[in-house]
Amino acid sequence: QQQVKQSPQSLIVQKGGISIINCAYENTAFDYFPWYQQFPGKGPALLIAIRPDVSEKKEGRFTISFNKSAKQFSLHIMDSQPGDSATYFCAASDYSSASKIIFGSGTRLSIRP
Amino acid sequence: ETGVTQSPTHLIKTRGQQVTLRCSSQSGHNTVSWYQQALGQGPQFIFQYYREEENGRGNFPPRFSGLQFPNYSSELNVNALELDDSALYLCASSRGAAGQLETQYFGPGTRLLVL
Repeated sequence: QQQVKQSPQSLIVQKGGISIINCAYENTAFDYFPWYQQFPGKGPALLIAIRPDVSEKKEGRFTISFNKSAKQFSLHIMDSQPGDSATYFCAASDYSSASKIIFGSGTRLSIRP
Repeated sequence: ETGVTQSPTHLIKTRGQQVTLRCSSQSGHNTVSWYQQALGQGPQFIFQYYREEENGRGNFPPRFSGLQFPNYSSELNVNALELDDSALYLCASSRGAAGQLETQYFGPGTRLLVL
């Protein structure tokens, strides 16, 4: 059973455009929602994270929107740049599971110059 | 760079063999987690160690085992390798105590191919 569902699987955006990746979760015990960025040959790196007590968090060009009632959250990348081309994973975790992180299946983002 | 290193970077084994993968965490990071990332998929949690004790396990069989040492190094051992064990194996370390949500820093991974 896939606990964190991510879409789309791949995404192509023009330079300067907005990249949007969506995720949905099932387990209401999740209380930490990080996004990871992974470049080829590298491990995932934490990009931005949100707790369910806020509906939005912004760090630079990256924004997480969180809808607790719908059990959905999304990543928006504003003014997308070629250097943002990578695979992005949404994830979820809860305190009772020893910080085990449940990852989505990933979105391969390509930014066209 | 995250300060988390893994060795080897690549490894080829045959079905039925055993393999040991190694991870070196950042100094002061008492928690290490291991993940399996199949090609084109997100990482899947294998298990977590806190101060040398297993502190949570995902849906992986007992032939996946681990060790954590006092010098912030750790090992993932896989016995009786199967073809489906071919994947990128990632370790991630964090500073927090068991059950605390702390930022996990991932290493670059070991790519294992089972023939």
